[in-house]
Formats: sequence, C-alpha cells, structure tokens
Amino acid sequence: DVKVTQSSRYLVKRTGEKVFLECVQDMDHENMFWYRQDPGLGLRLIYFSYDVKMKEKGDIPEGYSVSREKKERFSLILESASTNQTSMYLCASSWDRGQETQYFGPGTRLLVL
Amino acid sequence: AQSVTQLGSHVSVSEGALVLLRCNYSSSVPPYLFWYVQYPNQGLQLLLKYTTGATLVKGINGFEAEFKKSETSFHLTKPSAHMSDAAEYFCAVSEVETGGFKTIFGAGTRLFVKA
Repeated sequence: DVKVTQSSRYLVKRTGEKVFLECVQDMDHENMFWYRQDPGLGLRLIYFSYDVKMKEKGDIPEGYSVSREKKERFSLILESASTNQTSMYLCASSWDRGQETQYFGPGTRLLVL
Repeated sequence: AQSVTQLGSHVSVSEGALVLLRCNYSSSVPPYLFWYVQYPNQGLQLLLKYTTGATLVKGINGFEAEFKKSETSFHLTKPSAHMSDAAEYFCAVSEVETGGFKTIFGAGTRLFVKA
C-alpha cells in the first residue's frame, strides 16, 4: 500500500513564526502536492512538484514556499505564519498528474495564534 | 477553464436509503473524473475514477458513478446507505492544460446517515 506520512497531526504556532510541514511518501512517486482544506472551499492547491528540486505554484502560493531535495520528501514552509494560514494542510503524491490517483496523507491541522 | 460544482454542502439520508451526491463540471476537453472520500481526522482516499471507456464506474464500498458528457455530470450513488458511509465526499476533475494536467476539487459534500 502507498503510504504518505505527515510530520505532525496538530501544530500550534504564533504569528510571525517560521513553520515547516513535512511530507514523506514511500512509493517512488514523481509528483507531490500540498493543499490547504478549508470548510466550504474544498481543497486548494498551494504548490506541487513533478521532480526533485522542481516546483510549480498552485492556485494560492502567497505566503508559502516549498522544498524538494529528495524524491520521497516534500516540505511546505510558512516563512512568517499569519492567522489566516490557520487551516488543515494535506500532502498528496501520484505517479502522474492526469489520470492517476492522488494518495493523501492524514493532514496537519495548523492553528496560528 | 475547468470548475467543479457539488450541489449541496450537506446531505442527510436514512440508513438503507439511496445515496445521491451530485457533481457537475465544466471542461473544454474530455476530463478525468474522480470521487474521493474523507473520513473524520483522515486524509482523502479514492472511491472511484473515470478515465476512458465504460461511463458507469464502480468503486469501493458499493459506490458507483456515471459519466454523462451531455450533462457534464458525474453523480455518485449507492443503493443503500450504511452508517459507516458518513463522511465528506469530494468530486475532482483533471484536465490537460499548458504545462501538463491540473486537478480541481469541488467544495465537498458532507453525508450524514441517520439510524
């Protein structure tokens, strides 16, 4: 079974802190994604990566950056956390970006105070 | 440009009743279509997907969906709801665009099952 793990299930941070969310997948997938999930808005793509050291902006990249130094690991960075970044963050991976299934991690619920 | 509309943010059914969750999409080319389910405190997992071929797709846990091109719909059904079906369901559309594919998720429909 494909497994996608996220470093934390719950995080509480203060405004202005630098926050790292990490995601690891064990299926050698080329593509990895970071989404945020908010009630009534569904999932919105923040960034994705189709190869090591490659990244593309999604629909809402402002205030975020990413890093992919190894194929299995994709990190989301909040350079200076703000209260409007309080959300559920979901990581996913897939073989390709078209017809293939995305496999999701359990999510990280982030609260920024 | 693609978009996904899920009609009804909340749907409530009785145990044993038909489940119908609606999804309409807009796409300029034939898309790939997905339904994912999210149980409480978990990530999303695939229920079923349509890529090519038969337009009626069967998925896990007794769910199925039918791709209707003329109606641009991909509604999810299950003949008889079970308490364990209570979850949030997301419809997603994947379409080729400049630079590769893009997947868009609907806002989600939360399914409540009454005993």
